[in-house]
Amino acid sequence: QVQLVESGGGLVKPGGSLRLSCTASGFTFSDYYMSWIRQAPGRGLEWVSYISSSSSYTNYADSVKGRFTISRDNVKNSLYLQMNSLRAEDTAVYYCARAVVVITVNCYFDLWGRGTLVTVSS
Amino acid sequence: SYEVTQPPSVSVSPGQTARITCSGDALSKQYAYWYQQKPGQAPVLVIYKDTERPSGIPERFSGSSSGTTVTLTISGVQAEDEADYYCQSADSSASYVVFGGGTKLTVL
Repeated sequence: QVQLVESGGGLVKPGGSLRLSCTASGFTFSDYYMSWIRQAPGRGLEWVSYISSSSSYTNYADSVKGRFTISRDNVKNSLYLQMNSLRAEDTAVYYCARAVVVITVNCYFDLWGRGTLVTVSS
Repeated sequence: SYEVTQPPSVSVSPGQTARITCSGDALSKQYAYWYQQKPGQAPVLVIYKDTERPSGIPERFSGSSSGTTVTLTISGVQAEDEADYYCQSADSSASYVVFGGGTKLTVL
């Protein structure tokens, strides 16, 4: 079964850290770029980060640059997001998504997980 | 930062045609993609590369592009099409992925 399953969300205090995980199954994980996308409660989608298939290239939204780190383990078919210095505005459902690269930086997301909720509050 | 703009809401009656637009300067050079999201669910890709429809997506969903505006068209709208729709593209100069703010489609 082709799927992505996120885990690791929860309640964390401002300034704290959290590590999200995403486990892939049913497809060759190492063939794909992967991405994290988030959605604050009642708000729209916001791209967070993506990573190339071999981990050689990563990029981040300005809102998380320097605080979040994306990584992957192609042996474990897993994607990660290390989130540090968390702020209230990072509160959101975080989705793991499989990215299909069309041209260099232009990609789309053809498989999504169900998401994991991160709440940053004191 | 680069943005793409969608109308906040569109309303149509069942059986009519819904058109949702997305505007942005880079759309004349970059492909656009469309996602459907129903309450409590993850987004689903409905159109890719401006006009292509993934397998399993009904034929009533189509996409078009003209200059700096792309359009998602839903012909013969059904009640099950009521959802939020997001366009997505890229800012080629900055390597960023960008989503529109989303359009809530209401089926009257």
